[in-house]
Amino acid sequence: DVQLWESGGGFVQPGGSLRLSCAASGFTFNTYAMSWVRQAPGKGLEWVSALSGSGDRTYYVESVKGRFTISRDNSKNTLYLQMNNLRAEDTAVYYCAKDRYDDPAIYYSYYGLDVWGQGTTVTVSS
Amino acid sequence: DIQMTQSPSSLSASVGDRVTITCRASQSMSTWLNWYQQRPGKAPKLLISGTSSLQTGVPSRFSGSGSGTEFTLTISSLQPEDFATYYCQQSYSSPLTFGGGTKVEIK
Repeated sequence: DVQLWESGGGFVQPGGSLRLSCAASGFTFNTYAMSWVRQAPGKGLEWVSALSGSGDRTYYVESVKGRFTISRDNSKNTLYLQMNNLRAEDTAVYYCAKDRYDDPAIYYSYYGLDVWGQGTTVTVSS
Repeated sequence: DIQMTQSPSSLSASVGDRVTITCRASQSMSTWLNWYQQRPGKAPKLLISGTSSLQTGVPSRFSGSGSGTEFTLTISSLQPEDFATYYCQQSYSSPLTFGGGTKVEIK
């Protein structure tokens, strides 16, 4: 059974840091692009960051560039999101999601995000 | 970036009703359009990819159509478990972008 499980969310003051983790199972992790998608309270979905299976191609939404770093440890089947200098507007549920297409060279495909974790909540407030 | 606009933003319908949700893109994107369902407090679930391909296990009452800049998601006979928020997403180019969502509520 293909599963993703996020952890690492919490409450942090503005300017603080958190590292999110996403543990994967049930598929060949290193051949799939992985993404982080967030959802602010009562709002829609926003693609935040993505990483190719090989780990060398990335995407960041403009608002997190220079503050967030996506990485993966293919030996541990785990995706990470290091979040520094957090702002109130980063408050959201953060989901990790698997790309539907297995190509380790790409950070997204035409085919959508077919498996999602349950989400982890990040709250940034003073 | 390709902007995705969904309409309506919400709708009320009864069990058994036919429901149609529209998604418009700011530029042509062939058929690289996906639909997700999100029930309250849950993660999104991929329903349809490539405009019209149902994911495994998705009931046949769901269907998708369109091309270019206009796409639709249709639920032929609304069931109680279909009350949720639906999002379109374009995967034609980076950044992947989502529509604002359509909340389907019980009338």
